Amino acid sequence: AQSVTQLDSQVPVFEEAPVELRCNYSSSVSVYLFWYVQYPNQGLQLLLKYLSGSTLVESINGFEAEFNKSQTSFHLRKPSVHISDTAEYFCAVSRMDSSYKLIFGSGTRLLVRP
Amino acid sequence: EAEVAQSPRYKITEKSQAVAFWCDPISGHATLYWYRQILGQGPELLVQFQDESVVDDSQLPKDRFSAERLKGVDSTLKIQPAELGDSAMYLCASSFIGGGRTEAFFGQGTRLTVV
Repeated sequence: AQSVTQLDSQVPVFEEAPVELRCNYSSSVSVYLFWYVQYPNQGLQLLLKYLSGSTLVESINGFEAEFNKSQTSFHLRKPSVHISDTAEYFCAVSRMDSSYKLIFGSGTRLLVRP
Repeated sequence: EAEVAQSPRYKITEKSQAVAFWCDPISGHATLYWYRQILGQGPELLVQFQDESVVDDSQLPKDRFSAERLKGVDSTLKIQPAELGDSAMYLCASSFIGGGRTEAFFGQGTRLTVV
């Protein structure tokens, strides 16, 4: 079985400061890794994903995440946050087999203050 | 850009009543998921379809919840009878698996409040 742990339920940070949202996973099989973002009363939007290849993946709005197989982590980072980045961020894993079942972490609320 | 459509966006129902949610996935997406998201928690998979077949409903409370995808396109999730603890956001997602693409696309969700 797979599981995802997001240790920080809330991360407050000042605008233009760097931020890291932590994600660790557990799985007996190879997985794909995802970060989703959710704004209030909205569905989830894919932020970035790791399927294979380079362990560092980037999104179009400045976020990046690095897959670390030895530490089973997929932490999300941004060098300078904006007020508009305030949202809930979910890390998720999916088995690399026919099930493609998405398992989510409990989420981290990023609160950007002016 | 194609989207996953869900209706209604909001639903208030009384305890013990029946309630139903509808989802229309992105055209061509064979895989459809229903998730439940309790406030402050991550989404939890209720049921996963591949075309019209259920491939995973291990977390679906089958005594009161049912889901169908008769023609392998749109889907309905039903709760009967609703309980106070069913208050949550119900999210539908779809995915096309193949060609290096595996991410799920989510709808806006249905916010259910049971009173």
